[in-house]
Amino acid sequence: KQEVTQIPAALSVPEGENLVLNCSFTDSAIYNLQWFRQDPGKGLTSLLLIQSSQREQTSGRLNASLDKSSGRSTLYIAASQPGDSATYLCAVRPSGGSNYKLTFGKGTLLTVNP
Amino acid sequence: GAGVSQSPSNKVTEKGKDVELRCDPISGHTALYWYRQSLGQGLEFLIYFQGNSAPDKSGLPSDRFSAERTGGSVSTLTIQRTQQEDSAVYLCASTMFPSPLHFGNGTRLTVT
Repeated sequence: KQEVTQIPAALSVPEGENLVLNCSFTDSAIYNLQWFRQDPGKGLTSLLLIQSSQREQTSGRLNASLDKSSGRSTLYIAASQPGDSATYLCAVRPSGGSNYKLTFGKGTLLTVNP
Repeated sequence: GAGVSQSPSNKVTEKGKDVELRCDPISGHTALYWYRQSLGQGLEFLIYFQGNSAPDKSGLPSDRFSAERTGGSVSTLTIQRTQQEDSAVYLCASTMFPSPLHFGNGTRLTVT
């Protein structure tokens, strides 16, 4: 059974700092991995999706990497801003028969202090 | 275009009453999911639709929970005889494989 772990559970940084969020998964048979952010009282917003054949994806100040063989992904946020404060979740889609069923981590609560 | 729309955004109901939650997915998205998110917990998978059929209902917590999807579009999640432990945020998501999953803002259900 796939398990997805996100460490740390919470992170507080000063504005302007570069930071890395971690996501690890136990089964490397994945189709893709997706990073989301969730603001309080809202749904999840898709940030980046990395296919299993890719090593990284970039969008603005965000860069996500994937090392499938070691079961790890990182989300790098450059020059953090207070508006980046949110919960960040990763989710893996398996390859194979049940590839519709994503497994989510519990998220990292990020606070960027002005 | 429009994103995933869920209604109502908030619902307060008395224990024992039935509730119906609605999800309007992104047009053309054939896959639709329902998840539940309780305070401090991760996302709990409830049910998956491909078109109008639900090949995986394994996450529905009990027979008080049911869901349907009509016309390959709108889905409703019904909870009968609500209990306090049903209080949570119910999230709907849709996608057209292999595109990213898109979520609605959820329905916050409070059972008093």
